[in-house]
Amino acid sequence: GAVVSQHPSWVICKSGTSVKIECRSLDFQATTMFWYRQFPKQSLMLMATSNEGSKATYEQGVEKDKFLINHASLTLSTLTVTSAHPEDSSFYICSARVRGGVNEQFFGPGTRLTEL
Amino acid sequence: KNQVEQSPQSLIILEGKNCTLQCNYTVSPFSNLRWYKQDTGRGPVSLTIMTFSENTKSNGRYTATLDADTKQSSLHITASQLSDSASYICVVTRDSSYKLIFGSGTRLLVRP
Repeated sequence: GAVVSQHPSWVICKSGTSVKIECRSLDFQATTMFWYRQFPKQSLMLMATSNEGSKATYEQGVEKDKFLINHASLTLSTLTVTSAHPEDSSFYICSARVRGGVNEQFFGPGTRLTEL
Repeated sequence: KNQVEQSPQSLIILEGKNCTLQCNYTVSPFSNLRWYKQDTGRGPVSLTIMTFSENTKSNGRYTATLDADTKQSSLHITASQLSDSASYICVVTRDSSYKLIFGSGTRLLVRP
């Protein structure tokens, strides 16, 4: 099946600093990638949809200036959490959509962000 | 309102036993239903995907069923193993939409 990687797998950052998370589709081209966050014992919440070569579409309540998304190529999307605060500590997961068929999405392994 | 509900919220079974997880949805118009397995601290991994016309689909010891009339699905796990301990998430998509509608998941613990 299609493989999606994320880097880093975990990160600890100081309050006020920025963190960049990479999401790569390793063996397919993904025109659309998605960013989710997940709090403990809760389901995934869609943050934004990232389309290659265009601006991301953010879900209601997600600050676009805080969560910067760049989808510069068909295999790479990045999420930058700016000026991290304790409430940003979470599990961030990306997925990449395979075009056609049943519109399947393949998820990355996730990135655990902890703000000190 | 488009919703996906799962039951039970959590389940503990002994290794080697079978179990069935339930998923009810009110999503319309329906496109497909997926079951994912999510290990702690990992991203979800797809187990099955079913469209409207499919009633059952298997993936090894995992068998999913779909009743599109009653809008219900189940995931049956046969001869459970310790590695089956995870959260199982039911996800439904609407026709002409790429967005996934997630259930809250069932946390399964398999004990030796």
